[in-house]
This record gives sequence, C-alpha cells and structure tokens, in this order.
Amino acid sequence: AQSVTQPDIHITVSEGASLELRCNYSYGATPYLFWYVQSPGQGLQLLLKYFSGDTLVQGIKGFEAEFKRSQSSFNLRKPSVHWSDAAEYFCAAPNFGNEKLTFGTGTRLTIIP
Amino acid sequence: IAGITQAPTSQILAAGRRMTLRCTQDMRHNAMYWYRQDLGLGLRLIHYSNTAGTTGKGEVPDGYSVSRANTDDFPLTLASAVPSQTSVYFCASSLTGGKSDTQYFGPGTRLTVL
Repeated sequence: AQSVTQPDIHITVSEGASLELRCNYSYGATPYLFWYVQSPGQGLQLLLKYFSGDTLVQGIKGFEAEFKRSQSSFNLRKPSVHWSDAAEYFCAAPNFGNEKLTFGTGTRLTIIP
Repeated sequence: IAGITQAPTSQILAAGRRMTLRCTQDMRHNAMYWYRQDLGLGLRLIHYSNTAGTTGKGEVPDGYSVSRANTDDFPLTLASAVPSQTSVYFCASSLTGGKSDTQYFGPGTRLTVL
C-alpha cells in the first residue's frame, strides 16, 4: 500500500528564513501527492498537489514542492517564511485499496522573530 | 458560501452514551469523508461516501457508523462511546471522490469521552 512519511515532527525557523519540509512516499507508479496546511484550531486546506507533468509544483501562499522520483520525495519549500506560516503541514497520497487519502503524521512549524 | 459546517464544535460525553456528529456541505460535492485526528498519528479515515446512498470503511471504522441519505449531509454516529474515541473529528468533501480530488475540510468537532 502507498504510504507517506514525514520524518520531522517539529521544525523551528526564523521569520524571513527559507523552509523545507520533507515528505517521502512509497509507491510503484507515478503517485498522486498532496500538501495540506492546518492553522491552529482549523481544518485542513490544500496548498498544492502533483499527479503528472512538471515536477515543480506551485501552490498557494508562496509554497512550492518538487517531485523527485529518484529520492521518492515530495518536499515542500518556501523561500522566505512569514509568522502567519506557523501551522501544521501534512503530506498525503491516495492508497492502493480505496484510493482515499492517507496522511502523514504531520510537521509542526514554529516561526521565531 | 459556508462550505462545510460541523456541529457541535465541542462535546464532553460520558462513556457508553450515543453521539451523532453532524456534517453538512453546500458545494454539491459527491464525496464526503470523516477523519479523526490524534496527536502523533495525523488524520485517519473513518468512513467515506462516494455518492449519496453509498458508504465505505476507512482505516479505523470500528465503533463508528455513517449514513448518506442525501448529497449534503453525512452524519457520524458513535453508538456507545469509549474513552479511546476522544479525538478531534473532521468532515471533508470532494467533487468526485477520485484520487486527484482536492478535499475541503470543516472546522472540526472536539470530542472528549470520559
């Protein structure tokens, strides 16, 4: 079954610094991959998704992610973070059985001034 | 446009009691989902529905039931709540239920079972 792994539970970065959140997937064929963000006390919102074409995907709020088949990765990046980016970030992919999303365990992002 | 609404916002429930979490969407999406979110475990799918009149089991369906009588509503019922069902519950919807769909989430219901 397809799965996604987010190796970092918590990351702290300074405001204005660059950000990279890691996501690794296990899948045979070209996967469908998603990044969602959850602000405190809220539901999840889609940042971006990939399922074919250009391996560099642009999303909302200045985020991008790059699909790298050789590394089985779909890391999320932002060149300069803002305090409002503090949130929990989830990588997700559909599983083989029912094609419903399986979420990673999440990475909590803290921004320091 | 409200999107997805969930009720109640939070609830404290005695073990053994029956509870229904409500979810309504106004986007005319065919597919709807229920997830639970627990610290360190991310979101796990409980049940889903690809279209009105059909439902399916997710990763953690035991102790929960759902129904989909119409397009807009997708209630989740705990027939006899247990403390391990303490969690934050999210309802979501998507246009078709396909694997490339974007899911839209409600604000969540925080449930505590004592």
